[in-house]
Amino acid sequence: SYELTQPPSVSVSPGQTASITCAGDKLEDKYASWYQQKPGQSPVLVIYQDNKRPSGIPERFSGSNSGNTATLTISGAQTMDEADYYCQAWDSNTGVFGGGTKLTVL
Amino acid sequence: QLQLQESGPGLVKPSETLSLTCTVSGGSISSNSHYWGWIRQTPGKGLEWIGNIYYSGSTYYNPSLKSRVAISVDTSKNRFSLKLSSLTAADTAVYYCARRSSGALDYWGLGTLVTVSS
Repeated sequence: SYELTQPPSVSVSPGQTASITCAGDKLEDKYASWYQQKPGQSPVLVIYQDNKRPSGIPERFSGSNSGNTATLTISGAQTMDEADYYCQAWDSNTGVFGGGTKLTVL
Repeated sequence: QLQLQESGPGLVKPSETLSLTCTVSGGSISSNSHYWGWIRQTPGKGLEWIGNIYYSGSTYYNPSLKSRVAISVDTSKNRFSLKLSSLTAADTAVYYCARRSSGALDYWGLGTLVTVSS
């Protein structure tokens, strides 16, 4: 079965750039999505189709996907961005999530 | 604004079958652009995709759960449902329903906690 691998944790200082990676075999052949989840809340879509932002998502969130790795980048991370982030892709119409990355901003 | 709301029992006994419903408001479940699906999250753990359904009834399931899962749709009531059989404690989780659009899960319900315990 297809797998997506994320680092368990990433830490940045406020105002710096945070990068969260998601690795999967030939991931560039699939679209990657990214979700933000804060404690006690439902996940929120922040990036879809590799690099598109849904309405209402700040411009500091961006995405890329090349080779075997998709990357979520938060430029000028804010304390409000502290959350768990999950990548997700479809493999033959089967949904796959990465294990999640806890982003700490302090 | 599209809204999804999960409903169902919060406590189910081992070996029994879980039945959850997701009611969609603010939009039609019969849209030909979207799938509707279920995702779960075990306490303190990550997200696990369970399956999707199209308004026509075509389904896709997580291979690891396929033998125990059935998702159905009721277009007349604008809702879809999940059945998960042969429950064990490992199925204790928050269950979310969501809409799949443009390859992503863009609208989510608030989630409902299901505990499997005798």
